[in-house]
Amino acid sequence: DTGVSQDPRHKITKRGQNVTFRCDPISEHNRLYWYRQTLGQGPEFLTYFQNEAQLEKSRLLSDRFSAERPKGSFSTLEIQRTEQGDSAMYLCASSPREANTDTQYFGPGTRLTVL
Amino acid sequence: DAKTTQPTSMDCAEGRAANLPCNHSTISGNEYVYWYRQIHSQGPQYIIHGLKNNETNEMASLIITEDRKSSTLILPHATLRDTAVYYCIVSSGGSYIPTFGRGTSLIVHP
Repeated sequence: DTGVSQDPRHKITKRGQNVTFRCDPISEHNRLYWYRQTLGQGPEFLTYFQNEAQLEKSRLLSDRFSAERPKGSFSTLEIQRTEQGDSAMYLCASSPREANTDTQYFGPGTRLTVL
Repeated sequence: DAKTTQPTSMDCAEGRAANLPCNHSTISGNEYVYWYRQIHSQGPQYIIHGLKNNETNEMASLIITEDRKSSTLILPHATLRDTAVYYCIVSSGGSYIPTFGRGTSLIVHP
């Protein structure tokens, strides 16, 4: 049973650089979520996809953030012109969307440090 | 804002039951109660969910009050490895923005 995987696990970058993270959901899960988590806080919703369609975006997702899910499989989250405030754990989760339930299975996260 | 309220922290002796409360007084009729936990530096892990009836699985039991305004997650025999932050959220699975809040930090001590 392969769970949700994320790559890379850690990323250190300099302010102003662009970074891209990848998430591979559990096979056949049609929903995919991105969250951001800072120290001492719970995960904060960023965006989610139903198959390849991006259905909801949080106000936290500034113009520098973009997410894609081509073909409804893996997803990428890109941050352009990174700022120190972008330092956080970026979590991905997938869900099979059965009936009205929405059980989410999380990946290990990508920890971003912006210097 | 989170739709649930939980105590900031709790502690429990190893081998004893851990009872974690959650208030969700504004829950809608079609919203489920979900519990997740997050061990330090890992992604959150799904534990259990329920709508009206009490639920039990290999990890925990979920007790939902009859008016559905609160629930309790029960870890029947807590171990040191259950030390984690526990999140209670409500969700209908429709178009929504999941809100985790800060959760309850459970410390299980020897």
